Order: sequence, then C-alpha cells, then structure tokens
Amino acid sequence: EIVMTQSPLSLPVTPGEPASISCRSSQSLLDTNGVNYLDWYLQRPGQSPQFLISYVSNRASGVPDRFSGSGSGTDFTLKISRVEAEDVGVYYCMQARQTPYTFGQGTKLEI
Amino acid sequence: EVQLVESGGGLVQPGGSLRLSCAASGFIFSSHWMNWVRQAPGKGLEWVATIKQDGSEKHYVDSVKGRFTISRDDAEKSLYLQMNSLRVEDTAVYYCARGPNFGGRVDFFDYWGQGTLVTVSS
Repeated sequence: EIVMTQSPLSLPVTPGEPASISCRSSQSLLDTNGVNYLDWYLQRPGQSPQFLISYVSNRASGVPDRFSGSGSGTDFTLKISRVEAEDVGVYYCMQARQTPYTFGQGTKLEI
Repeated sequence: EVQLVESGGGLVQPGGSLRLSCAASGFIFSSHWMNWVRQAPGKGLEWVATIKQDGSEKHYVDSVKGRFTISRDDAEKSLYLQMNSLRVEDTAVYYCARGPNFGGRVDFFDYWGQGTLVTVSS
C-alpha cells in the first residue's frame, strides 16, 4: 500500500496571502507512461469532497487558476497564489497509481 | 448536471447487513468507472471499492474484501454496495464517486454524492 503523508496538517492563512501544502508518497507515483497519478481534493466544512486537480497539475473544470499543482515521483505541492475565504476546508492528496487508492491525512486550511 | 444521490444508510448491529444505492443522472452512467469512498466520523477519506464500466473489474480495500460487494445496473443508472458482516469500524459516511470514462484505470474521482451515513452499533 502506498502511504500518503501531508504537511502541515493545519494551515492558518490570511486572505490574499499564498498558501502551500506538501504531499509525499511512500512509493513513486510516476507510471511507465510518464504520468504521475496524484490528485487533490477539497472538502469544505459540512460538504462532500470536490475534485480540484488530477495528474499533479491539471485543474478540474471550474477550479480557479489561483490553484496550482507541481511535483513528480514522490514529492508534490498544492499552491494557492492568493487565498480567498471560500478556500477554507480540508485538502486531501490522493494517489491513483495503484489500488488501494490512498489519501493523505488532510490539511485543514483556516483563515 | 451530474448528480449522484446515495441512499440506504442507517443504524445496524454488528454482524448485520446493509445495501447502499447511488442513483446517477446527468451523464452516461454506463461509460464511467464508479466508486465508493467512506469517511469515518471526524476522520479522513478512505477508498472502499471500484467497478469498471462493464462490471468486469472490481477492486476493494483489504479491510472489506469478502464482506462488501460493489455492483452496478446500467439500465437503472445505479451503483450499489452490499455490505455484510458489518463491524463497528465500518461506521462512516459512504460517498458514491464518479471515475473517468476513459482508460483502463481510475485516475480521479470527479463528482461526489452527498453521502449516506452508516452506523454500526449495538
């Protein structure tokens, strides 16, 4: 099983300031086809998770461009260029390289 | 508009059974991988099971293998999770989540339902 580790687990931020979340995997998420199978999800308070980013850096439809993803292999980062109030919630990274698909512990972003 | 609506959750005793359903609309259900993901109270997300478009592939997290069965009815546009021999640790909100309509794998979960709560307690 691939273990996903996020840091920090809690991230206090100020609106308008940048934020960054790290995600590390216990095994490489880079497949032989050259694709890294790493996704990001946001769960706002009281809501279901929503899809943000796939393949490390591909933003889902409707996701603002202030969200960006980077990394390869075992080290990945989600960045928010300027945090807005609606960005509050828990962010999860997830590996889709192999089953069982596994999530990080979550990073709680709070303003 | 893509919609996934789960139902079937509730209170069940340890050792009991429950069948969850997920009604899909707004997309071609038969073309997509479909999945169940759960979240224990106050905890993070855990992938539970996945089924391929034609039902020919099913995958499960080890903790539910032999107890849970994922299935689908494309004519009814519905996804199911039959849960047997339930344990206290199966208590969670169970989400139905849509996977891609391409490729031979689940690369992401792009739409999620609102979830249904399963409580296993005596």
